[in-house]
Amino acid sequence: DVKVTQSSRYLVKRTGEKVFLECVQDMDHENMFWYRQDPGLGLRLIYFSYDVKMKEKGDIPEGYSVSREKKERFSLILESASTNQTSMYLCASSNFYEQYFGPGTRLTVT
Amino acid sequence: GESVGLHLPTLSVQEGDNSIINCAYSNSASDYFIWYKQESGKGPQFIIDIRSNMDKRQGQRVTVLLNKTVKHLSLQIAATQPGDSAVYFCAENMGSSYKLIFGSGTRLLVRP
Repeated sequence: DVKVTQSSRYLVKRTGEKVFLECVQDMDHENMFWYRQDPGLGLRLIYFSYDVKMKEKGDIPEGYSVSREKKERFSLILESASTNQTSMYLCASSNFYEQYFGPGTRLTVT
Repeated sequence: GESVGLHLPTLSVQEGDNSIINCAYSNSASDYFIWYKQESGKGPQFIIDIRSNMDKRQGQRVTVLLNKTVKHLSLQIAATQPGDSAVYFCAENMGSSYKLIFGSGTRLLVRP
């Protein structure tokens, strides 16, 4: 059974903190994605990676960075968390078009 | 102050009835479409997909219809059950990469 796991289900951080969200997939997928999900706005792509050490900006990359040092792991980094980054963060992986999602991390920045 | 989020369109159906969820997509060059179901507290899960060279595809209790003329996609769920209550997203791919562009979603509520 395919599996995408995310390091935390819930996270509370303070403004200005550096935040790491980790995602691991066990399907040997080439592509990995980070989205944020806000009510009524659907899923918006932050960054994606199509290979180890490769990354591309999505639609809303500002305030975020990513790291992909190993094929199975894709990290999302908030360099200095702000309250407008309070959201649900979803990680996904794929080899083709169908993306497999993790359960999400609900991040609250106070 | 407190921000007010946008509200999802909601479809309310009686258990046992058929449901039709609609989606307008943005790009006439899109060649692959997918429907996801997201239950509360979970990530989206694949339901069914369709390529642009088809206009209909059927799965178990679900059918996807594609009308390229008006850039419209629909998901039909037969004999809707309480377990179908969720938010449903359509997504499109334009073929240049494996990125998907997601719609804003529709909430399906099933009345017992």
